[in-house]
Amino acid sequence: DGGITQSPKYLFRKEGQNVTLSCEQNLNHDAMYWYRQDPGQGLRLIYYSQIVNDFQKGDIAEGYSVSREKKESFPLTVTSAQKNPTAFYLCASSGIGGAAVSNQPQHFGDGTRLSIL
Amino acid sequence: AQSVSQHNHHVILSEAASLELGCNYSYGGTVNLFWYVQYPGQHLQLLLKYFSGDPLVKGIKGFEAEFIKSKFSFNLRKPSVQWSDTAEYFCASRGYGGSQGNLIFGKGTKLSVKP
Repeated sequence: DGGITQSPKYLFRKEGQNVTLSCEQNLNHDAMYWYRQDPGQGLRLIYYSQIVNDFQKGDIAEGYSVSREKKESFPLTVTSAQKNPTAFYLCASSGIGGAAVSNQPQHFGDGTRLSIL
Repeated sequence: AQSVSQHNHHVILSEAASLELGCNYSYGGTVNLFWYVQYPGQHLQLLLKYFSGDPLVKGIKGFEAEFIKSKFSFNLRKPSVQWSDTAEYFCASRGYGGSQGNLIFGKGTKLSVKP
């Protein structure tokens, strides 16, 4: 089945430690996204990538880093610089049509819940 | 900056009641609009979307939404809710501006349906 796989489902981080959240998709989508979901805050965009080897900061990129070495993969690293990392992290992907702007909906993974020890 | 506002944080209804969840967006140009639903313990799923044409959009599970350009609104409706509609609902927009391709989400409305 085509879809988006996020791992792990639950992750615990010690103070001062970097952790990496995995996101893999087999939908052949060009664009991938990372969101952070906090209660009452909705989804906020961290980073997005519309093509391999290129990515852009979203609204709350500070303390996070990403890479896009393969079309299928868009890992997110939560660095020690992120002072409030406890949240639910959602990865999404979408296709891109002929124009620069896609009118296709985003497909979401099941999320990773990150907590601080 | 573009924004999406959802008026209600938490809505509680009894089964068979009618539902309307408010959503307003800020972008004045051409806009794509979406409603996503997140059932407890599940991932976000697309409920319906508006790109152009008929402003009344029908989605899955009996939901519909009406795009009213003059009001910058895209409210979600369902004539008769069921207990299984208990979920969190997110409105989102995509504008043809600087953040092309990205979705701007509202803060979500939690719907609780009492059996």
